[in-house]
Amino acid sequence: KQEVTQIPAALSVPEGENLVLNCSFTDSAIYNLQWFRQDPGKGLTSLLLIQSSQREQTSGRLNASLDKSSGRSTLYIAASQPGDSATYLCAVNSGNTPLVFGKGTRLSVIA
Amino acid sequence: GAGVSQTPSNKVTEKGKYVELRCDPISGHTALYWYRQSLGQGPEFLIYFQGTGAADDSGLPNDRFFAVRPEGSVSTLKIQRTERGDSAVYLCASSLNEGEQFFGPGTRLTVL
Repeated sequence: KQEVTQIPAALSVPEGENLVLNCSFTDSAIYNLQWFRQDPGKGLTSLLLIQSSQREQTSGRLNASLDKSSGRSTLYIAASQPGDSATYLCAVNSGNTPLVFGKGTRLSVIA
Repeated sequence: GAGVSQTPSNKVTEKGKYVELRCDPISGHTALYWYRQSLGQGPEFLIYFQGTGAADDSGLPNDRFFAVRPEGSVSTLKIQRTERGDSAVYLCASSLNEGEQFFGPGTRLTVL
């Protein structure tokens, strides 16, 4: 059974700092890995999708990497801003199957 | 284009009542997923549709929960004899084939 772990559970950084969020999964036979952002009381916004054949994806200040063999992904956020404060969720699936989520990392960027 | 929409956004009901939650996926998306999220947790899978049929309903917690997608587009999640433990945010997502899943804003269900 696939299990996804996210470390740290919570993180507080000053504005402008670069930061890394970690995600690990127990079964390396994945098809997609997605990173999401969730604001309090809101739904999930997809940030980046990495397919199993890819090693990284970039969108603006965000960069996500995937090391399938070791069961790890990282989300790098450059030059953090207060508006980046949210919970970041990592999820994996195998083909057209439901996503298995971690519990998320709650990020606070202090101005 | 329009994203995934869910109605109602909030639902308050009494223990023992029946509720229906609706999901409108992105037009053309063949796959539709229901998840449930409790406070401080990641979403947990409930049921997945490919077209009109339930391809995987292994996440439904018990037989009080049922979902339909009669025309391969809109889906309804139905909960009978609601219990306080059913209180959560119910999320719907859709995807095209094996692609990225896009989520709706969720329905917050509160059972008193």
